[in-house]
Amino acid sequence: GAGVSQSPSNKVTEKGKDVELRCDPISGHTALYWYRQRLGQGLEFLIYFQGNSAPDKSGLPSDRFSAERTGESVSTLTIQRTQQEDSAVYLCASSLGSRPSYNEQFFGPGTRLTVL
Amino acid sequence: AQTVTQSQPEMSVQEAETVTLSCTYDTSESDYYLFWYKQPPSRQMILVIRQEAYKQQNATENRFSVNFQKAAKSFSLKISDSQLGDAAMYFCAYTMDSNYQLIWGAGTKLIIKP
Repeated sequence: GAGVSQSPSNKVTEKGKDVELRCDPISGHTALYWYRQRLGQGLEFLIYFQGNSAPDKSGLPSDRFSAERTGESVSTLTIQRTQQEDSAVYLCASSLGSRPSYNEQFFGPGTRLTVL
Repeated sequence: AQTVTQSQPEMSVQEAETVTLSCTYDTSESDYYLFWYKQPPSRQMILVIRQEAYKQQNATENRFSVNFQKAAKSFSLKISDSQLGDAAMYFCAYTMDSNYQLIWGAGTKLIIKP
């Protein structure tokens, strides 16, 4: 079956513009995660969805970041008024359930965002 | 707060040799889970191996095995018979059963020399 897909693969934008990043999880996966990966660093948790609700938005770096999810499918991460420090790879993962202790997270290939 | 530390930014090994990647973590919990993930140049993170803290036996998956030292809070990954396809970034991660977040180390870049 299809894995997690993300689009676009790469996005170059100018400082101050808004961007939308899309994630299509594996069908049937109720949990969805967004992570940010800065160059040479590990993954930084941004937000987690269980179904279409987001119990934990504490990882979002600022109010310029928002995310939504339609049902148990597509999720969109929106960054408004992009800044150069937003440049990173944004990874999406999905899993059957919400506990990574016994629900393997399957990752997409990420979106590389470059803010000029 | 829980933290995960990978002290080796880069490691290199000759093809067919064995290499060990280090990971230490800090937690006050007794029940938790540890993972090693591989991230090839395609960027897609892949689970390599997982270890439950309550299990004394070290996890193994084919050429991949771990050395889990609970008292020392150490969780190293051993790759035997290294292959060119093993070249990637390797990340160590931690979670608790009650948590939905994974806490990640900064990663180790593994280079395989032909």
